[in-house]
Amino acid sequence: AQTVTQSQPEMSVQEAETVTLSCTYDTSESDYYLFWYKQPPSRQMILVIRQEAYKQQNATENRFSVNFQKAAKSFSLKISDSQLGDAAMYFCAWGDSGTYKYIFGTGTRLKVLA
Amino acid sequence: NAGVTQTPKFRILKIGQSMTLQCTQDMNHNYMYWYRQDPGMGLKLIYYSVGAGITDKGEVPNGYNVSRSTTEDFPLRLELAAPSQTSVYFCASRRETGTTRQPQHFGDGTRLSIL
Repeated sequence: AQTVTQSQPEMSVQEAETVTLSCTYDTSESDYYLFWYKQPPSRQMILVIRQEAYKQQNATENRFSVNFQKAAKSFSLKISDSQLGDAAMYFCAWGDSGTYKYIFGTGTRLKVLA
Repeated sequence: NAGVTQTPKFRILKIGQSMTLQCTQDMNHNYMYWYRQDPGMGLKLIYYSVGAGITDKGEVPNGYNVSRSTTEDFPLRLELAAPSQTSVYFCASRRETGTTRQPQHFGDGTRLSIL
């Protein structure tokens, strides 16, 4: 069975600084997808960034980028120039390419300090 | 374009009562999912559907039932509510486009308390 582990329950970052959130996963499959979702206090699940496992190039979306290490089964999220609006719970998710189901980690709460 | 709409947003049930959580999407997505999120935890998959008339169990299906009679709607049924089902429930949908795996789009959730 697939598992996703987020070992940092909470992280803090100063406004305008850079922070990295960690995620590791376990799977025996070679084709899959990885995602980072943001959940603000409003409870919405907002897609931040995604990575296809077959792509070696790390995904980037504006201030958000990932460090995808397939052999190490690691998928960290880097947030550059942190903003107050980045404060939220961040969930890492593994996506099955066959049944398209997600397995979520337990989340990391990110606090942004002014 | 409303996306994924869940109703109700909040509900309190008594132990043993039944209810249906509604989910509808207007994006013509063929895949739909139900998750639950317990306090301080990630989302866990309850049931999913790959199209009208086709459903399958996820990680935590016990105590729930689903049906998918149309592409748009994917209701989740609780037959005998138990305190362990107190949670926030999320519905999601996605579009299958051949080789490109599209991400799931989530509704705003239903907060359900069983007392």
